[in-house]
Amino acid sequence: GQNIDQPTEMTATEGAIVQINCTYQTSGFNGLFWYQQHAGEAPTFLSYNVLDGLEEKGRFSSFLSRSKGYSYLLLKELQMKDSASYLCAVMDSNYQLIWGAGTKLIIKP
Amino acid sequence: GAVVSQHPSWVICKSGTSVKIECRSLDFQATTMFWYRQFPKQSLMLMATSNEGSKATYEQGVEKDKFLINHASLTLSTLTVTSAHPEDSSFYICSARKLAEHNEQFFGPGTRLTVL
Repeated sequence: GQNIDQPTEMTATEGAIVQINCTYQTSGFNGLFWYQQHAGEAPTFLSYNVLDGLEEKGRFSSFLSRSKGYSYLLLKELQMKDSASYLCAVMDSNYQLIWGAGTKLIIKP
Repeated sequence: GAVVSQHPSWVICKSGTSVKIECRSLDFQATTMFWYRQFPKQSLMLMATSNEGSKATYEQGVEKDKFLINHASLTLSTLTVTSAHPEDSSFYICSARKLAEHNEQFFGPGTRLTVL
């Protein structure tokens, strides 16, 4: 079967750094996405990785290792507005998105 | 840009009535649109994949006669919840994929449905 695993909840301090991990097992791979979702809102796109390595975009970076079926989202200089759920999703061989359950990130002052 | 709109943003209806939700890609053509449902504190659940001009493909466990999907043009897909019941209350989100592109899905803002 297809499976995406990520922690249910994480807590971090404002100004600090947090890493959210995602491991996956899917039938085929056409890229991995990270989305941010605030409560009551639709997901918004953060990053897309299809090759191994680190992609940096401002305070957010995303890493991918295809051989390990592993990705992480790194958030630096955390702000209170970063409190949200972070969804990991993998596009399989049929170009369907397989979604993780999401990681709820709580930022404390 | 790649903007997707949904209408209405929220709707309250009586049990037994039908509700139609529209999903539009405003500045691009979308051959494929996706309909998701999300219950509180849960992740997105794909309900169906809608391709322009053809029948939608429903995920296992989703009743096609209850959730009618129409994708009549490259910029519009509609989801009709027929004979809605309180258990259908949820957050419904559509997304659209650009013509000839396989990667990113662009999400609409979602529709909050409450069935009394």
